[in-house]
Amino acid sequence: EPEVTQTPSHQVTQMGQEVILRCVPISNHLYFYWYRQILGQKVEFLVSFYNNEISEKSEIFDDQFSVERPDGSNFTLKIRSTKLEDSAMYFCASREIGLPGETQYFGPGTRLLVL
Amino acid sequence: AQSVTQLGSHVSVSEGALVLLRCNYSSSVPPYLFWYVQYPNQGLQLLLKYTSAATLVKGINGFEAEFKKSETSFHLTKPSAHMSDAAEYFCAVSDFGDDKIIFGKGTRLHILP
Repeated sequence: EPEVTQTPSHQVTQMGQEVILRCVPISNHLYFYWYRQILGQKVEFLVSFYNNEISEKSEIFDDQFSVERPDGSNFTLKIRSTKLEDSAMYFCASREIGLPGETQYFGPGTRLLVL
Repeated sequence: AQSVTQLGSHVSVSEGALVLLRCNYSSSVPPYLFWYVQYPNQGLQLLLKYTSAATLVKGINGFEAEFKKSETSFHLTKPSAHMSDAAEYFCAVSDFGDDKIIFGKGTRLHILP
């Protein structure tokens, strides 16, 4: 069964460093998302992406964050200058074409630790 | 703003017993409702979803959930728990026409032998 994959599974970085989290969505999906979960808190929406542009972003998704689909298979989340509070599990998701509310399929997550 | 409340961050049930995980949403208009499960070191897997077709929704692994508009609830149940059901369960909601999913804090289900 097709699945969303994410790399790396764990990332440790120093505060102020740039990180890029990578996702490979399901191949025929056209809508892509990033969510994050700070330890002990809710899974929170960060951004949605369709047709090579951001569809919606949350308040969390400030200028330090960016997303890109550099090729036909990868979808990346870049954090330009990491802060301690960026430590979280980051989930990528994708869905096929259709109305909002169609099932979003999630990857296993990347656990980011900022020291 | 849409929100989801899951009662109980941890729930323990004996193997073979009824599983009941509670979820309440805040919305005046019936939204899309979801239950996701996360097994250790894995992603979020969709268990079931409600999209207004039927109030009782059946999902994978013997789980089902009932949409009750009067109670703004979408509780998850399974008649007989199995050890393999031990995981974290997330209730989630999405407003009609909105593409983002709003998650609850999750309930970790423990199965006692």
